Amino acid sequence: DTAVSQTPKYLVTQMGNDKSIKCEQNLGHDTMYWYKQDSKKFLKIMFSYNNKELIINETVPNRFSPKSPDKAHLNLHINSLELGDSAVYFCASSTRTSGYNEQFFGPGTRLTVL
Amino acid sequence: GNSVTQMEGPVTLSEEAFLTINCTYTATGYPSLFWYVQYPGEGLQLLLKATKADDKGSNKGFEATYRKETTSFHLEKGSVQVSDSAVYFCALIHTGRRALTFGSGTRLQVQP
Repeated sequence: DTAVSQTPKYLVTQMGNDKSIKCEQNLGHDTMYWYKQDSKKFLKIMFSYNNKELIINETVPNRFSPKSPDKAHLNLHINSLELGDSAVYFCASSTRTSGYNEQFFGPGTRLTVL
Repeated sequence: GNSVTQMEGPVTLSEEAFLTINCTYTATGYPSLFWYVQYPGEGLQLLLKATKADDKGSNKGFEATYRKETTSFHLEKGSVQVSDSAVYFCALIHTGRRALTFGSGTRLQVQP
């Protein structure tokens, strides 16, 4: 019955590798997000998709590429991983019904780049 | 631009003490305001929200009132429990932009 799920929960990889994080929501929401939480717990928006269309694209290196194959999925692909990419990445979703005022978050993916 | 400022932590309290975590914001127009809570090792959960001035959000004994005149949304609880130990985030959504702008988070530690 998980509302917003992410895989994997933990990801440890070497610098220079390419990796993907997957997110799925079963809430029927039309908007999905990726947030990054750094080592000091600070959270910042990276991307947002509405009905598979990119609507928010913050100042994020183009090594990060989101992909939304359908409304229920938003994946994050990262090329040429760097040490500074180590963080917890949270997926979230929301819906027009609530005025997009409530976002439901996944459990997070802790990425460690060695 | 939009921003949220929270008091720095950690905040350490004894069980049954009164809690206040200060939050102020900067935004044009009329943002919606939120408190999210992150328990150790978990994702974020919405704790409470307020969508217009003078609204009071409440949940699980926590309360916060949207004060437009002071641009504040302080979180309060009359009697904290050990299980309230977590990181609390104040956040806003500005009209027309769906992404949350978060404060830096305040860690609360409640001792028995």
